[in-house]
Amino acid sequence: DGGITQSPKYLFRKEGQNVTLSCEQNLNHDAMYWYRQDPGQGLRLIYYSQIVNDFQKGDIAEGYSVSREKKESFPLTVTSAQKNPTAFYLCASSPVDRNTEAFFGQGTRLTVV
Amino acid sequence: GNSVTQMEGPVTLSEEAFLTINCTYTATGYPSLFWYVQYPGEGLQLLLKATKADDKGSNKGFEATYRKETTSFHLEKGSVQVSDSAVYFCALSPSSGGYNKLIFGAGTRLAVHP
Repeated sequence: DGGITQSPKYLFRKEGQNVTLSCEQNLNHDAMYWYRQDPGQGLRLIYYSQIVNDFQKGDIAEGYSVSREKKESFPLTVTSAQKNPTAFYLCASSPVDRNTEAFFGQGTRLTVV
Repeated sequence: GNSVTQMEGPVTLSEEAFLTINCTYTATGYPSLFWYVQYPGEGLQLLLKATKADDKGSNKGFEATYRKETTSFHLEKGSVQVSDSAVYFCALSPSSGGYNKLIFGAGTRLAVHP
């Protein structure tokens, strides 16, 4: 079945550590996105990518980094520079067509301990 | 800039009640509009969409009409079920930029009681 897979589902990080969240899709979509969700808030865009080896900052990119070495994969690294990383992170993919919906993964809940 | 405003929740209804969740947007041109639903601990699923003015999106008994004149895309369902309890997000995809870069509202939590 086609879809988006995020791993792990739950992730705990100690302060000062970098962690990487995985996102893989087999939908053959060109565009991929990372969103952050905080309780009671909507989704905020962290980074997005339209093609391999190219990506753009979203609204809240500070403290995060990404790579897009393969069409299928768009990992997100939460660095120690991110001051408040505890949140629910959602990865999405879509064709590069604003009329077509984005497909979301199941999310990764990151907690700083 | 582009933005989406949704009615605040939570919305609490009895089973079989009528549901309306208001959504208005600010955008230039003709954005595409979407409603997504999120069940606890999960990602978002597309509920319905409309890509041009006066289009009506519908799915699983939910409906929403793209109203350009009022910049609105209100979600309605005639008879809700307990299984509809979730968080609903209104979103737009801007008419320029090439990407499907969604802008979301804050979400509205719906709780349906038997």
